[in-house]
Amino acid sequence: GDSVTQTEGPVTLSEGTSLTVNCSYETKQYPTLFWYVQYPGEGPQLLFKVPKANEKGSNRGFEATYNKEATSFHLQKASVQESDSAVYYCALKDTGNYKYVFGAGTRLKVIA
Amino acid sequence: DAGVTQTPRHEVAEKGQTIILKCEPVSGHNDLFWYRQTKIQGLELLSYFRSKSLMEDGGAFKDRFKAEMLNSSFSTLKIQPTEPKDSAVYLCASSLGGLNYAEQFFGPGTRLTVL
Repeated sequence: GDSVTQTEGPVTLSEGTSLTVNCSYETKQYPTLFWYVQYPGEGPQLLFKVPKANEKGSNRGFEATYNKEATSFHLQKASVQESDSAVYYCALKDTGNYKYVFGAGTRLKVIA
Repeated sequence: DAGVTQTPRHEVAEKGQTIILKCEPVSGHNDLFWYRQTKIQGLELLSYFRSKSLMEDGGAFKDRFKAEMLNSSFSTLKIQPTEPKDSAVYLCASSLGGLNYAEQFFGPGTRLTVL
């Protein structure tokens, strides 16, 4: 079945440093890929999504490229802030399938 | 626009009790999902409704968990009887459905503690 594997957390960074959260996926279909962010006491919220291979998604300084050949969708940010501290989930949804498949989540802590 | 609403935000139950969690999806969304979230297991799908019809009833969660969707704007998740291992955050999400690229909108969750 489909699966998503992402960087195991927690990840602790200093403000102003760069972030990469790795995400790899397995599927036999043509998925849409998502990054969600979850702040304490809230549900996950969409950071951005990319429905097509070889395209890039971005929002709030975060970006990821849908790499079909490498089956990857790594999340990057050039300079993190304390307010970026949250749990980040990589997810996919296949064509014709109602299920969303989520990774285990990566907890990010940014210290001032 | 109103997002997904969940009540209560916190629930404390004694072992063996029956609890009912409530969810109001985004207006106009056709798909509704219930998830359980724990640090160990992450997000686990409990139930899925498409246009109010139950499409998935959660497999391993079937025996004590029952989700219902009485109308397009309201769903409940009943846990009966509760056990301490049910302590978790229960999330409701909705989406437009029918589109590969439709994202899910999540509610804030209900944190359940079973003593």
